[in-house]
Amino acid sequence: DAGVTQSPTHLIKTRGQHVTLRCSPISGHKSVSWYQQVLGQGPQFIFQYYEKEERGRGNFPDRFSARQFPNYSSELNVNALLLGDSALYLCASSRRTSGAERVHEQFFGPGTRLTVL
Amino acid sequence: GEDVEQSLFLSVREGDSSVINCTYTDSSSTYLYWYKQEPGAGLQLLTYIFSNMDMKQDQRLTVLLNKKDKHLSLRIADTQTGDSAIYFCAERLDTGRRALTFGSGTRLQVQP
Repeated sequence: DAGVTQSPTHLIKTRGQHVTLRCSPISGHKSVSWYQQVLGQGPQFIFQYYEKEERGRGNFPDRFSARQFPNYSSELNVNALLLGDSALYLCASSRRTSGAERVHEQFFGPGTRLTVL
Repeated sequence: GEDVEQSLFLSVREGDSSVINCTYTDSSSTYLYWYKQEPGAGLQLLTYIFSNMDMKQDQRLTVLLNKKDKHLSLRIADTQTGDSAIYFCAERLDTGRRALTFGSGTRLQVQP
C-alpha cells in the first residue's frame, strides 16, 4: 500500500505570493493533519481535518487555511508568504473513526520543502 | 501547558546502547511517541506507549515511562550506523484536537 503522498516535493516562492500544498492520505484513512517544521525544530501542529471538517487548529495566523475533499485528500494554503514561512510542511494521516475504537497512530508523508525568498 | 523537551545531541559507538531522553509537562497526555527522521525525509513512527504503561519493548527498542516525573526514554540496543538520525518524542492529549506536540529532536550520531 502507498503511504502518505505530498506534492510538490520542493517549492520556491517570493514574499507576498501564495502557495498550495497537497496531500493524499493512506487508503482508508479519513483524518489528515498538517504540521510545519522549521529547520532545527520539531514539527508544529497547524490543522487537523476529519470528514471534511476542521477538527483542530494550532497557533498559526489566518494566512494559513486548509480543506479536505470527499476523497479525504487535503490542501494547505498559505497567503501573503513571509520569509519565516520557509519550512518543511508535513502531512499526516490517521485512521480515526467515530466509534469506540481508539485509533491514534499518525503516519507522516515525506513533506514539501517550501523556500520563501 | 504543553511543552516537550529533549537533549540536542547524542553520540555513541556502533554496538553500544543509546538512550534518548524526553520530558513533558502535560499530565493529561494519553499517548507518547517516538519518531525517527532521516535527512531530507519525513517522520517515521518507531513506537509509542500508552500513559498507563511503564515499559514497552519492541525488538531493539525499549520505551520507559515515568509518569510521576513526566519522563520518557527510548533505548536502542546494539545501535547501528543506520540508526543515525534525529529522534523526536511527541505527546498526544486526549482533549479536543488530538494533535501531537513534538520536542525539538535529539540528533543521534553512531560512530563506527
